[in-house]
Parts: sequence; C-alpha cells; structure tokens
Amino acid sequence: DSGVTQTPKHLITATGQRVTLRCSPRSGDLSVYWYQQSLDQGLQFLIQYYNGEERAKGNILERFSAQQFPDLHSELNLSSLELGDSALYFCASSVVVVGDEQFFGPGTRLTVL
Amino acid sequence: QQQVKQSPQSLIVQKGGISIINCAYENTAFDYFPWYQQFPGKGPALLIAIRPDVSEKKEGRFTISFNKSAKQFSLHIMDSQPGDSATYFCAASRPGSARQLTFGSGTQLTVLP
Repeated sequence: DSGVTQTPKHLITATGQRVTLRCSPRSGDLSVYWYQQSLDQGLQFLIQYYNGEERAKGNILERFSAQQFPDLHSELNLSSLELGDSALYFCASSVVVVGDEQFFGPGTRLTVL
Repeated sequence: QQQVKQSPQSLIVQKGGISIINCAYENTAFDYFPWYQQFPGKGPALLIAIRPDVSEKKEGRFTISFNKSAKQFSLHIMDSQPGDSATYFCAASRPGSARQLTFGSGTQLTVLP
C-alpha cells in the first residue's frame, strides 16, 4: 500500500458526460501528479500540482482539468467524455523538495460507453 | 527528445533465471531513472531508481545498470521467481520542480515455475 488513495475504483459512464476523479496524497506529500494509462498510449503524464498550484502540464486535453485543494487532495475533472477517454487514471504523490520518488495510487478505471 | 524506449515488449524466463529489461533515452537532461513494477489491477510501484553519477545500484535481487555515454539503462532481476511476473516500466525525469515521469512502453515479464 503506497498510502495514496483514489476514488472511485471503477467508473462507467456514457459519452458526453462529465466525471470527477479524486486523489488523496500520502501524508506530508505536497505534490500530486495525474497520469493516464491506456493500451495504445501507455503511461502518460497529464498534470502536476504542488501545494495547490499547477506546476506542469503534459498531454492533457482541454476537456480535462484538475485542481488541488488546501487539504492537498486533488480532483481530475473529465468532461464531454469520448470513447477514447476510457483508460486507467493514476495519481501519484511526492515530496518534491526532499526527493524524486513518486508513489502511485491504485487508480480509477474509467469506461466510457 | 522526451522519449524513453523500452525492450523487450515481453519476456519469459524460467524460475531461477536472470531477467533483463533494457531502456534507452534521448534527452541528456534526464537525471533520475526509476523502475516501476505493476501487477494487474494495481498501480505502478516504485522498485528501484538510479542517478547518472553511479553506474550500478543493487537492491536485493534487483540491479540497475546505467551507461551514461550510451544513454541506456537496464534492470536485472536475479533468481527470478514466479511472483516477479508483472509488467515493468522504466522511466526518467528532468531536474526542476515539476519532475514528471516519462515512461517506457513496459515489459510484461512471465516467470515460469
């Protein structure tokens, strides 16, 4: 158990809908990363937040957005969902200043029908 | 220049054998190279990591070999066990506050009993 929690574990929804994925980092970790894992694209970095502020963006679609709250939990919002958005979404956390290690949560499996 | 290339895509090894997975990178700015292990239905788990100032790092049965001039690094699993059967990902990150990981495409390892 990495100490990173993600909810829900599974999410099934329809095209055009909007969903919110939640992540709670390890105690003491200030940085949260979101990654998408799909069969054709592999593991890809989406976005990073550090202590409430957006720090870096990767291959994140404009339909996707994220935020990190004062208690350091983070939410990834996916809107206008398409079939191709079906994937595993992982969040990872790290203590940026102290080390580089990123610890991954168990993921949310999103299925868009 | 952000790509990390991983091979082989799949690997079958007999119990007690040595498993070797290779990765190559292009961006010389990368300075942190972790390996992650992922079991089906789970998030990636940090296995071992190395920095370019050392050529080898060993933790138990797992060893990373690093060749800075060739821009290659590899994971060696000694005395491979059926419980090691999983997907292994190499990754790399650059200096800075973002530290997002660029992942290889993964190697599915099967250790036969």
